[in-house]
Amino acid sequence: EAQVTQNPRYLITVTGKKLTVTCSQNMNHEYMSWYRQDPGLGLRQIYYSMNVEVTDKGDVPEGYKVSRKEKRNFPLILESPSPNQTSLYFCASRLRGFTEAFFGQGTRLTVV
Amino acid sequence: AQSVTQPDIHITVSEGASLELRCNYSYGATPYLFWYVQSPGQGLQLLLKYFSGDTLVQGIKGFEAEFKRSQSSFNLRKPSVHWSDAAEYFCAVGAAGGSYIPTFGRGTSLIVHP
Repeated sequence: EAQVTQNPRYLITVTGKKLTVTCSQNMNHEYMSWYRQDPGLGLRQIYYSMNVEVTDKGDVPEGYKVSRKEKRNFPLILESPSPNQTSLYFCASRLRGFTEAFFGQGTRLTVV
Repeated sequence: AQSVTQPDIHITVSEGASLELRCNYSYGATPYLFWYVQSPGQGLQLLLKYFSGDTLVQGIKGFEAEFKRSQSSFNLRKPSVHWSDAAEYFCAVGAAGGSYIPTFGRGTSLIVHP
């Protein structure tokens, strides 16, 4: 089944403790993105990647890192999480061209 | 820079009534336009998309949207709403081209009364 898989789905952590949210897609998509969703603000893009080893900042990249060493994986790294990073995070992927994005189920992160 | 405005934060309709969700975009050239739906606890699912051709686009679940260039709008419609349509709806715009990065609106929450 074609899908984007995020793990974990739920995470509670403490301020400053490094964490990684994984994202994997099995559709051989070139493009992958990370978004955060906050009430009243919709989806805001954190980082995106156009292919392996090609990443760029989105609208809200501060406090986050990403890497794209393999085409299928695009992990989101929070080196030192803070409470303002408490949010619902989505990973998405798509093919090149006029194609829609496919979204993962989301990761709800709480930083205390 | 591209932007999307969804002027309605919440919309309440009765089951069986018609629905229109508004979306206005700002972009200088021909945009890619999308509507996604997010059910509670779920990721986003594509309802429909538009790039060119017929300005009335049919999507899944009985939804349609009409692109109006003169009004910079891409409103979503459904003639008869079902209780299962209660969800969050997002309009998105992307610059035409292979490397587009979509910008999402803030979303409209649809509440359906029995």
